[in-house]
Amino acid sequence: EAGVAQSPRYKIIEKRQSVAFWCNPISGHATLYWYQQILGQGPKLLIQFQNNGVVDDSQLPKDRFSAERLKGVDSTLKIQPAKLEDSAVYLCASSLVFPGSYNEQFFGPGTRLTVL
Amino acid sequence: LAKTTQPISMDSYEGQEVNITCSHNNIATNDYITWYQQFPSQGPRFIIQGYKTKVTNEVASLFIPADRKSSTLSLPRVSLSDTAVYYCLVGASGGSYIPTFGRGTSLIVHP
Repeated sequence: EAGVAQSPRYKIIEKRQSVAFWCNPISGHATLYWYQQILGQGPKLLIQFQNNGVVDDSQLPKDRFSAERLKGVDSTLKIQPAKLEDSAVYLCASSLVFPGSYNEQFFGPGTRLTVL
Repeated sequence: LAKTTQPISMDSYEGQEVNITCSHNNIATNDYITWYQQFPSQGPRFIIQGYKTKVTNEVASLFIPADRKSSTLSLPRVSLSDTAVYYCLVGASGGSYIPTFGRGTSLIVHP
């Protein structure tokens, strides 16, 4: 079974530039998550989709971050414009949804973003 | 959302058993307890999940007392490759579950 795919793996941009990350979840996984992980901290959930609907985006800085999952499969996360404090690893994860049972998350390798 | 508290770091030696305790005093009735492991430059990986009493798999055991206000991840006979950050998460099942990672416990296994 193929895992969660993310691209690019690394990105270096200057502040005020724009950047986009792509994620392809495991086939059949209805739930998709985007996390931001700053060095030395745990992953912080930015947005959670179930199919193509948003379950939670309370921690997404909506003035600069946006995410979409148009067909309920792959997803893109965009930052426009980037700030220095956006330097982090951006992780994508997916899970099945089984009512009444825990949904194990499968993570991709992440995209390391450096904002100069 | 139930808040979790874990030690920031732990040290151990190869071959020893390691126990990492997580406190979750305001756990709700339908919350599960889940542990993830993260190696440097990788995404977290699911280790084990439980609701009450004891759960064991090929990697670890999870002990949950009757009041469920804490849980202990037990790693038997650790090796150098168990050096990683371990996260405890608490939350309910289903599509509405909002996962919250804390800072985790950084485990360093020494030769």
